[in-house]
Amino acid sequence: GAVVSQHPSWVICKSGTSVKIECRSLDFQATTMFWYRQFPKQSLMLMATSNEGSKATYEQGVEKDKFLINHASLTLSTLTVTSAHPEDSSFYICSTPAFPSHQPQHFGDGTRLSIL
Amino acid sequence: QQQVKQSPQSLIVQKGGISIINCAYENTAFDYFPWYQQFPGKGPALLIAIRPDVSEKKEGRFTISFNKSAKQFSLHIMDSQPGDSATYFCAASGTSGSRLTFGEGTQLTVNP
Repeated sequence: GAVVSQHPSWVICKSGTSVKIECRSLDFQATTMFWYRQFPKQSLMLMATSNEGSKATYEQGVEKDKFLINHASLTLSTLTVTSAHPEDSSFYICSTPAFPSHQPQHFGDGTRLSIL
Repeated sequence: QQQVKQSPQSLIVQKGGISIINCAYENTAFDYFPWYQQFPGKGPALLIAIRPDVSEKKEGRFTISFNKSAKQFSLHIMDSQPGDSATYFCAASGTSGSRLTFGEGTQLTVNP
C-alpha cells in the first residue's frame, strides 16, 4: 500500500489564489519531508526540505514567501503556494526521507497545479 | 559535482527487445544509486537500486550495471513490454544523507 499520501491530486484555480497541498506519511513518523517540483518532460527539482518543529530548508532560487512549508506533525507536511500565478503551474511531489539512510525514498502521487 | 547526466532523452524499443539507459555522475561521495519509474500523473516509484560495492544487481527483468572507476551506471530492461513504457530516472545520493540528485529522465516507449 501507499506509504505517502498526497492531496489533492489536481487543482485548478484562478491567478492570485493560494493553494495548500498536503503530504502525509502513513507508515512511519517523518521528521523531515522533501518537496519537489516537476515541469512537463523534465526531471524532479528539489524545492525544499520540511523539518518537524523547525523552519524548512529551501533550495537556492526558491522563494520562501511564495512557497510556504509547514511540518505540523510527524506525519503531516504542507506546501502552500501563495498568490499563485500561471508560471507556478507544475507537478508538485513530496517524499519521505530514506530511513534508515540509503533505503528507498517513498514518493507521493503528486499534485497537478494549474493556475488560470 | 552534484550533477547526474542521463541518456538517451528518449528511447523506442520493440516488444521483447532490450532497453538500455545510461547515467554518469561526478561526485565521488555518492554511494547509493536508485532507478525510478514514473508513469504520467504519478509520483516516481523505486525500480531497483545499487551500492558501489557491487558491479551488477538483477531483479527480474531489470539489471543495474555499475562501473565505479568510470563513474557510470546503467539500467537494462530485458524482454521489454509495452507496460514498461514510462519515464525512467536515475538518481544518486551520498553518505551525508538521503537527498537525491536526479538525472534528466528517459522517456521509454515499447512498441507492441
